[in-house]
Amino acid sequence: DVKVTQSSRYLVKRTGEKVFLECVQDMDHENMFWYRQDPGLGLRLIYFSYDVKMKEKGDIPEGYSVSREKKERFSLILESASTNQTSMYLCASSDGPGGSGRGNEQFFGPGTRLTVL
Amino acid sequence: GQSLEQPSEVTAVEGAIVQINCTYQTSGFYGLSWYQQHDGGAPTFLSYNALDGLEETGRFSSFLSRSDSYGYLLLQELQMKDSASYFCAVRDLRRTDSWGKFQFGAGTQVVVTP
Repeated sequence: DVKVTQSSRYLVKRTGEKVFLECVQDMDHENMFWYRQDPGLGLRLIYFSYDVKMKEKGDIPEGYSVSREKKERFSLILESASTNQTSMYLCASSDGPGGSGRGNEQFFGPGTRLTVL
Repeated sequence: GQSLEQPSEVTAVEGAIVQINCTYQTSGFYGLSWYQQHDGGAPTFLSYNALDGLEETGRFSSFLSRSDSYGYLLLQELQMKDSASYFCAVRDLRRTDSWGKFQFGAGTQVVVTP
């Protein structure tokens, strides 16, 4: 079974703090994603990585950065947390077009509920 | 740009059939997915349609009409455990590196009553 794990289930930080959210997948997937989920807005893509050290901005990258130094790990960084970044953060992974799933299915981690005070 | 529209909420009784529609506007459509998410849980994949027509997987079926930019998820023989949010997501292929990327809708809350 594909497993996507996230470093924390719940996190409380103060405004201005630097925040690191870590995500690890164990299926050798090429693609990894960070989303935030807010009521009524669905899942919005923050950043996407299709290979080690490669990244692409999603729909709402402002205030965030990412790092993918190893294939299995994708980190989301909030350089200076603000209250409007209070949200549920979901990490996901999928294989590439040459994989058995052809990248059609994304596997999600359990999520990190971040509160910024 | 791209946009997806799906109803915000649908209520039905156990045993009934529910259809969740999804209309999309995108410049490079390549496929439509559906995900289920229970309260407090992670989204889980239900189906993917790249070609027109109906695909059936047990009690759930998914349909796509590319000419109408429209798809739906059909939930049959509703059970209480089907109470969840359902998201449609489109693959908008404008770059080969973006093959894995999907745009998600806002989700439809399905409430199943006894």
